[in-house]
Amino acid sequence: DVKVTQSSRYLVKRTGEKVFLECVQDMDHENMFWYRQDPGLGLRLIYFSYDVKMKEKGDIPEGYSVSREKKERFSLILESASTNQTSMYLCASGVGTTVVFFGQGTRLTVV
Amino acid sequence: GEDVEQSLFLSVREGDSSVINCTYTDSSSTYLYWYKQEPGAGLQLLTYIFSNMDMKQDQRLTVLLNKKDKHLSLRIADTQTGDSAIYFCAERGADTGRRALTFGSGTRLQVQP
Repeated sequence: DVKVTQSSRYLVKRTGEKVFLECVQDMDHENMFWYRQDPGLGLRLIYFSYDVKMKEKGDIPEGYSVSREKKERFSLILESASTNQTSMYLCASGVGTTVVFFGQGTRLTVV
Repeated sequence: GEDVEQSLFLSVREGDSSVINCTYTDSSSTYLYWYKQEPGAGLQLLTYIFSNMDMKQDQRLTVLLNKKDKHLSLRIADTQTGDSAIYFCAERGADTGRRALTFGSGTRLQVQP
C-alpha cells in the first residue's frame, strides 16, 4: 500500500509564526505535491517537486516555500503565517504520468 | 489555463444509482481521475481512466469518458450511505512540464436512507 504521511492532522499557529508542514512518502515516488483545499475552491496547487532539490511553483505559491532535501520528504513552509492561510493542506506523491496518492491532510488554523 | 468543473451537490436515495458529472477544457488530457474525500480525511483515489478509453468498470463504479465533449462521469451503482462524501474529478494534461493534476471543486454526494 502506498503511504503518504503528513506529520500533523491539526495545527494552530499565531500570525507571523514560521510554520513547517512535513510530508513523507514510502514508495520512492519521484513527484511530490502540496495542495491547499478551501470550501468551494477545490484543490489548488501550491508547489510541486519532481526530484530532490527540484521545485516548481504551482498556481498559488505566494507566501509559501518548499524544501526537498531527500526523495521521500517534502516540506511546506509558511514564512510568516497569516490568517488567510488558514486551510486544509494536502500532500501527495506520484510517479511518472500516472496516479497520485494523498496524505490525510493537515488542518491549519492561524489565529 | 486548464479548468475542471463539477456540480456542487447531488442527493440520492440509498439503493439508487448516482451519476456525478465533470467537464474539462484541456483537450490534451492524458489521464482523468476520480477521488473520494470523506469528512476530515484526505483524498482517496477511486479510479482513473486513460484518455484513449471511453469506459472503465470497477465493481460498483463505472467511468464514462466522452473525449469529444470533454465530459467525464462517475456512476455508482446501488449507492450506500457509506458513499456519502465529496467526489473530485481531476485531469492530467500531456504537457510534461506540468506534472500536477488539475482538480474540480468537488461534488458533495448525500445518500438518504
